[in-house]
Amino acid sequence: TQLLEQSPQFLSIQEGENLTVYCNSSSVFSSLQWYRQEPGEGPVLLVTVVTGGEVKKLKRLTFQFGDARKDSSLHITAAQPGDTGLYLCAGYSGAGSYQLTFGKGTKLSVIP
Amino acid sequence: DAGITQSPRHKVTETGTPVTLRCHQTENHRYMYWYRQDPGHGLRLIHYSYGVKDTDKGEVSDGYSVSRSKTEDFLLTLESATSSQTSVYFCAIKPPGKTEAFFGQGTRLTVV
Repeated sequence: TQLLEQSPQFLSIQEGENLTVYCNSSSVFSSLQWYRQEPGEGPVLLVTVVTGGEVKKLKRLTFQFGDARKDSSLHITAAQPGDTGLYLCAGYSGAGSYQLTFGKGTKLSVIP
Repeated sequence: DAGITQSPRHKVTETGTPVTLRCHQTENHRYMYWYRQDPGHGLRLIHYSYGVKDTDKGEVSDGYSVSRSKTEDFLLTLESATSSQTSVYFCAIKPPGKTEAFFGQGTRLTVV
């Protein structure tokens, strides 16, 4: 199993601040996905990054895939209380694999 | 809405009893997954299926079995529930040709 390590595990910030969440692995991934999960709900896909060095933007969220396709980051600009939730990165273990593996997640709290 | 229904949504059971959780999809997708989610561990894959009667183990399969006799249903069975299996269980489906997974709303299982 290819381990995905996320950091930090917990993050509590004031509204309006910027933050970055990291997802790292020692293995190469063909793609990485970012999900957001709210209490009592299942994870919902935010974005998939496929190409090394790729940057994708989703409003105030910026996702980057490392050049070597071993790591990814999620940057939130001017965080809002509505950004509060659990952010999870995920990827498939090994070529041709259909085992979708998740990191442990980053629990974000944005304080008004 | 991805057309995934998990049942039951909540269950309390006694140690040593068998428990079956059901995941039903209306999308006719081949790939279906069962995960458990625990604080500090993120989402961990229990079993997955790539077609009717085709299943494989994930990273935490001990104590669990699955069955898929129809495309739309994927059942997770705890043959003899233990307190360590108290968790929130999520089912997911993966559309063909895509990497992202769509999740159900989860089943909260408590083993007392």
